[in-house]
Amino acid sequence: DIVMTQFPLSQPVTPGEPASISCRSSQSLLHINGYNYVDWYLQKPGQSPQLLIYLRSNRASGVPDRFSGSGSGTDFTLKISRVEAEDVGTYYCMQSLQTPYTFGQGTKLEIK
Amino acid sequence: QLQLQESGPGQVKPSETLSLTCTVSGDSVNNTSYYWGWIRQSPGKDLEWIGNIYYDGRTSYNPALKSRVTISLDTSKNQISLKVTSVTAAETAVYFCARQVVVVMSPRYFDLWGRGTLVAVSS
Repeated sequence: DIVMTQFPLSQPVTPGEPASISCRSSQSLLHINGYNYVDWYLQKPGQSPQLLIYLRSNRASGVPDRFSGSGSGTDFTLKISRVEAEDVGTYYCMQSLQTPYTFGQGTKLEIK
Repeated sequence: QLQLQESGPGQVKPSETLSLTCTVSGDSVNNTSYYWGWIRQSPGKDLEWIGNIYYDGRTSYNPALKSRVTISLDTSKNQISLKVTSVTAAETAVYFCARQVVVVMSPRYFDLWGRGTLVAVSS
């Protein structure tokens, strides 16, 4: 199985400041077709996960442009340019290159 | 309105079979653009993919669970079902169904999730 490792596991952030979450995979997620099969999800408190970023860098419908995804191969980053209070929750990366699809442990974003 | 809704018993005894249903509204389980999957989240918050199914009945399961899991479709009711046999207390979790987008002929990211249903495995 591909292991997904996120860091940090917890990130206190001041509103208006940027935030960055890293995700490393145990093997490359770059397919020969050029896609990096990594996605990002946000689970707000008491809710189910919601898709934020798919195929490394594509924002899902309705996701604000302050969210961006980058990286290639085994190292990926989710960035929030200016954190807002509504961004609190746990962020997960997931690989969909091969089954079983696997998730990172989650990074909890908290407001200072 | 496009939504997924999980339903089923909130408690199952150890060694028995867990059975859940996901009802799809606003889309069809016959839609060839999607697979339909199940994911669970333990109290420790880890997310674990269980398996998925395509409109034609093709399934894929997590090898860690494969021998005990069955996912099926009921197209007349627009539902997806999950059965896990011989459950243990460690399988107490919130079970989510989710829609999985097909990219270049394979299922990839989950673009829509149900709210989830908590299943406690306890005697």
